[in-house]
Amino acid sequence: ETGVTQTPRHLVMGMTNKKSLKCEQHLGHNAMYWYKQSAKKPLELMFVYNFKEQTENNSVPSRFSPECPNSSHLFLHLHTLQPEDSALYLCASSQARTSGYEQYFGPGTRLTVT
Amino acid sequence: AQSVTQLDSQVPVFEEAPVELRCNYSSSVSVYLFWYVQYPNQGLQLLLKYLSGSTLVKGINGFEAEFNKSQTSFHLRKPSVHISDTAEYFCAVSDPSGTYKYIFGTGTRLKVLA
Repeated sequence: ETGVTQTPRHLVMGMTNKKSLKCEQHLGHNAMYWYKQSAKKPLELMFVYNFKEQTENNSVPSRFSPECPNSSHLFLHLHTLQPEDSALYLCASSQARTSGYEQYFGPGTRLTVT
Repeated sequence: AQSVTQLDSQVPVFEEAPVELRCNYSSSVSVYLFWYVQYPNQGLQLLLKYLSGSTLVKGINGFEAEFNKSQTSFHLRKPSVHISDTAEYFCAVSDPSGTYKYIFGTGTRLKVLA
């Protein structure tokens, strides 16, 4: 595997379910990000991890819970979601948590909440 | 707060014609600027970036962009488009003062017609 991978690619879940999204980067980067991409809206930064430490929580509801066990893996745990949480969730990584470094994106998980 | 405006939500253009995708940002300070492309069912891929130096930046796939500080613009251009350039294009800005946040525009869907 190369780059940034995300699993699953598609997920349909009910509002009472619990599921997790997984992201893995094979680039040796130190910073990882979760974004939410909804139709007709700019990408929304949700969480940032730098060297496994969470450095940003962009006012994300508690039904989204991130986990970063090491610099290569990032999870997003989901529970009791709402229909408006349906979106494409993108994971990204960068060499460092500074603005000049390119962020590399995974293909995303298309989440549908029913 | 910084913002990024992509005025055109959709741009149709015939194959082999030139194209310009517009991006304006709101900032009175120095910024880093990026263009990303998103093909269907994929994540975002960096096309080019401006950090400093020459205001004309060349990227992958024959794209280029020009940084215009006085007009706070960073328009993306390609002299001759191909069907394969059909995708969503996102402009992003970040603050070089030390933060890592990218502020994305809402995207422009480029549709290349045969």
